[in-house]
Amino acid sequence: TQLLEQSPQFLSIQEGENLTVYCNSSSVFSSLQWYRQEPGEGPVLLVTVVTGGEVKKLKRLTFQFGDARKDSSLHITAAQPGDTGLYLCAGAERFGSNYKLTFGKGTLLTVNP
Amino acid sequence: DTGVSQNPRHKITKRGQNVTFRCDPISEHNRLYWYRQTLGQGPEFLTYFQNEAQLEKSRLLSDRFSAERPKGSFSTLEIQRTEQGDSAMYLCASSFGGAYGYTFGSGTRLTVV
Repeated sequence: TQLLEQSPQFLSIQEGENLTVYCNSSSVFSSLQWYRQEPGEGPVLLVTVVTGGEVKKLKRLTFQFGDARKDSSLHITAAQPGDTGLYLCAGAERFGSNYKLTFGKGTLLTVNP
Repeated sequence: DTGVSQNPRHKITKRGQNVTFRCDPISEHNRLYWYRQTLGQGPEFLTYFQNEAQLEKSRLLSDRFSAERPKGSFSTLEIQRTEQGDSAMYLCASSFGGAYGYTFGSGTRLTVV
């Protein structure tokens, strides 16, 4: 199983600040996904990146997949309290006709008003 | 379709008792996954079904754990002779394909006392 390392593990910022979280692996993934999880709930898919160098934007969130498809970043502009949550990256490994997700430990983001 | 449904949301049980959780996936999805998540960790893969066939099981799934998906619809996860170390959030997810993201349920929080 390939390992995904996320950094930082914890991040506490003020409303309006920008932030970047990172997801790194030594191995190549077929795709990489970012999820956001609130306490007591399951993860919710934010985005999937597939192509090396790909950049996707979702309102104030910008996701980038590394050229070698081993790493990814999530940048949030002008963070809001509603962005508070656990951000998880997950790499998809292909097993036959299936893709299995391996998750990082997550970055716990707190945005203070 | 309202997404992936898991029941119960919370379960408190005494050590040594058996528990069973249910997952109803999105009806169009042919793949169903069980993950376990403990505090401060990302979800860890337990097992995967394609239709009614259980195609992969993690070594985390000891012989006290069993999962079924009769008729390729809902799935159940049973834990026999529960131990305190089984306390965790048990997440179910479904997908059609898998490379582009899973839809997770809200999870079942198990506490073994």
